[in-house]
Amino acid sequence: DAMVIQNPRYQVTQFGKPVTLSCSQTLNHNVMYWYQQKSSQAPKLLFHYYDKDFNNEADTPDNFQSRRPNTSFCFLDIRSPGLGDAAMYLCATSSRTSQPQHFGDGTRLSIL
Amino acid sequence: QKEVEQNSGPLSVPEGAIASLNCTYSDRGSQSFFWYRQYSGKSPELIMFIYSNGDKEDGRFTAQLNKASQYVSLLIRDSQPSDSATYLCAVLKGDSSYKLIFGSGTRLLVRP
Repeated sequence: DAMVIQNPRYQVTQFGKPVTLSCSQTLNHNVMYWYQQKSSQAPKLLFHYYDKDFNNEADTPDNFQSRRPNTSFCFLDIRSPGLGDAAMYLCATSSRTSQPQHFGDGTRLSIL
Repeated sequence: QKEVEQNSGPLSVPEGAIASLNCTYSDRGSQSFFWYRQYSGKSPELIMFIYSNGDKEDGRFTAQLNKASQYVSLLIRDSQPSDSATYLCAVLKGDSSYKLIFGSGTRLLVRP
């Protein structure tokens, strides 16, 4: 089945140690998004790619970076994770920005 | 005022009843509206989307949209315990047409 796959499902890292989360999709969608969701809160958009065009949200910390080497893959890099970055990170895709977004299973990030 | 507002609940209904979930939004330019279901610790799952005023039905789910009142709702008929989850209302911002703004969700409990 076509889907959005996030790896790993759970990630534990140390305070300040860089971490990379990955997302792949077989939907061949043009748009890929990264969201951060903390407990009992709404998902918060960090950035998105429309094809190779990167769009950063104004309030996304500089600590967060992203790469999209090809249509299928997108990565979220957290350069120096702080305790406040512990959250569920969600990857989503859509065929166009106006179309419904489909989410992967998420990566739960813990910071020691 | 939040851009997308939902009652946090919990909304408790008996099995077999109709659950009614409501959402209001502030951006009059919004054209696309989505309902996601999120089980605890899981990622959001798309349930319904609606673009035009009126009702849209899909199985036990009905989405209702009233743009004049800036109001969107989700009805779940014949509620089942497996419907117990948090339901997120999401609205595509009118100015950007890429940014999905989520409400904080309504927690639904279906009592057996």
